[in-house]
Amino acid sequence: SAVISQKPSRDICQRGTSLTIQCQVDSQVTMMFWYRQQPGQSLTLIATANQGSEATYESGFVIDKFPISRPNLTFSTLTVSNMSPEDSSIYLCSVQLSSYNEQFFGPGTRLTVL
Amino acid sequence: AQSVTQLGSHVSVSEGALVLLRCNYSSSVPPYLFWYVQYPNQGLQLLLKYTSAATLVKGINGFEAEFKKSETSFHLTKPSAHMSDAAEYFCAVSESVTSYDKVIFGPGTSLSVIP
Repeated sequence: SAVISQKPSRDICQRGTSLTIQCQVDSQVTMMFWYRQQPGQSLTLIATANQGSEATYESGFVIDKFPISRPNLTFSTLTVSNMSPEDSSIYLCSVQLSSYNEQFFGPGTRLTVL
Repeated sequence: AQSVTQLGSHVSVSEGALVLLRCNYSSSVPPYLFWYVQYPNQGLQLLLKYTSAATLVKGINGFEAEFKKSETSFHLTKPSAHMSDAAEYFCAVSESVTSYDKVIFGPGTSLSVIP
């Protein structure tokens, strides 16, 4: 398994501002994933972050809105840019350790945009 | 693309009763399947996974799931519900992309346990 931490755990932000969420893993991993979980909803994959290359974004998500950094094998950041109330969600990062594709999740960052 | 359906967005059971949470997937090839649990205000925790080794998979906290290819199902069960089982449960399936695999989540089922 992997131990994953996220910062901040929660935040309340004003419309039009940006927030950077950090994800730290206790072991080196190739693939890291960022998800959004809107209130009462399931998880939606935002992008996949591979160390040393550009993140791969899912349909409906763009780099200008959700820029991602992956400077090394244990760390990644997701920025939510120019926020609006519709961005209020829980943002989770996860990692994939084994060839059986199970993912381990961080505790999430609960974002409220006013 | 893969998809996962979970019948019943909310399920209520009495403490000590059988828990049955339904999951169906769409896949033309044998998939990898997962059940995750999310307790209030927490991240997701893996309950169990199917990776083609055995059709009946045992997980943590007394949960198990059976893979039925003919029914494209992977239902989650627990013989006797406990109050601490109240949570959101997500079924998920893996999907291969060109250089990695991603996990597709179902809509989730909220389990309530009545004392």
